[in-house]
Amino acid sequence: GAGVSQSPSNKVTEKGKDVELRCDPISGHTALYWYRQSLGQGLEFLIYFQGNSAPDKSGLPSDRFSAERTGGSVSTLTIQRTQQEDSAVYLCASSRGQGNNQPQHFGDGTRLSIL
Amino acid sequence: GDSVTQMEGPVTLSEEAFLTINCTYTATGYPSLFWYVQYPGEGLQLLLKATKADDKGSNKGFEATYRKETTSFHLEKGSVQVSDSAVYFCALSDRGSNYQLIWGAGTKLIIKP
Repeated sequence: GAGVSQSPSNKVTEKGKDVELRCDPISGHTALYWYRQSLGQGLEFLIYFQGNSAPDKSGLPSDRFSAERTGGSVSTLTIQRTQQEDSAVYLCASSRGQGNNQPQHFGDGTRLSIL
Repeated sequence: GDSVTQMEGPVTLSEEAFLTINCTYTATGYPSLFWYVQYPGEGLQLLLKATKADDKGSNKGFEATYRKETTSFHLEKGSVQVSDSAVYFCALSDRGSNYQLIWGAGTKLIIKP
């Protein structure tokens, strides 16, 4: 497709379960970012990939969170042993490369609800 | 560290009114500045950007000028429409933070007919 695609669009799960969120960036975009949007915290950076490497994991809130990217394309964000405070909209963005002239394009997000 | 501050909402205006949403930033380097918009039920969309001082970004009748002397990037529109109702986010990106977007809290704009 033409834009960033995220799946699932909605996910409801029980506390303690693991979840996997997927992001398919715009074709040819080498940079990929994950953000989280929650009511109390606003928009927060989670992790950044350049190609398959993640040079900046500084935003991951705990060791329950991990992410990978394969083939310089699809990325998955995994949350283990989910907690209620993980409830949020998880947003993925991609850009053609790094640099201030490379705007980030966002997917519609995955709304995660932890019961 | 870098940060963005924008005016709190909601901002409620009548159709055809003049809009200003204030945004100021702190940054150690030379950031790029962005306005993103989130319409109800939709994802974030880039509205406009400016990459250096005195640049003016514009799109859909919205404008913002990168003012280094006042560290500001205020969003303006001369005549708003009901369809402009949305949440507006000011953001910056900087080489020092790997170009991650650093966000303001968002301003909800409500336009009444």
